[in-house]
Amino acid sequence: KAGVTQTPRYLIKTRGQQVTLSCSPISGHRSVSWYQQTPGQGLQFLFEYFSETQRNKGNFPGRFSGRQFSNSRSEMNVSTLELGDSALYLCASSLTGVDNEQFFGPGTRLTVL
Amino acid sequence: LAKTTQPISMDSYEGQEVNITCSHNNIATNDYITWYQQFPSQGPRFIIQGYKTKVTNEVASLFIPADRKSSTLSLPRVSLSDTAVYYCLVPERGYSGGGADGLTFGKGTHLIIQP
Repeated sequence: KAGVTQTPRYLIKTRGQQVTLSCSPISGHRSVSWYQQTPGQGLQFLFEYFSETQRNKGNFPGRFSGRQFSNSRSEMNVSTLELGDSALYLCASSLTGVDNEQFFGPGTRLTVL
Repeated sequence: LAKTTQPISMDSYEGQEVNITCSHNNIATNDYITWYQQFPSQGPRFIIQGYKTKVTNEVASLFIPADRKSSTLSLPRVSLSDTAVYYCLVPERGYSGGGADGLTFGKGTHLIIQP
């Protein structure tokens, strides 16, 4: 059974640009969540999608958005990038939601210059 | 909102039993407690989940007292490969009501195992 995959694995952008990250969940999982990890703030919840609908959202500005497709694949978009957006972005999938076992992908390392 | 508190770091030696305690004073009645393990440059990995008393699987045990305001992850006979960050989690609630609104991983406990 294939695990969660994320693309790209590494990304370098400059301030003001936008970026789109992709996540393919484990087959059959309908919940996809996104997290941001930085040394200073730890691992923070961004949002969760379930059956193409955003079900939950963390405390991040509107520059961070996402969507989920009918095949449960999800994308996360960050607009008007700031230096502080440099982080490891992790995607996790689960059968039912964040309070059940989540399976994490390897992450996308975003560097904003 | 539920919030967890756990030690920032712990040290132990190979072959020892390690216990990491987490406090979650505001845990809701129906919430489960979940622990994850994370190695550098990897996503977290689920270890164990429990609601009350004791849960055991092939890698760890989870002890939860009757008041459920804390939980203890027990790792038996640790090895060098158990060096990692361990996160204790309870669901966040309050952003949009209803079910779990998210999970706050925080900074976890950095466990260092020495030879």
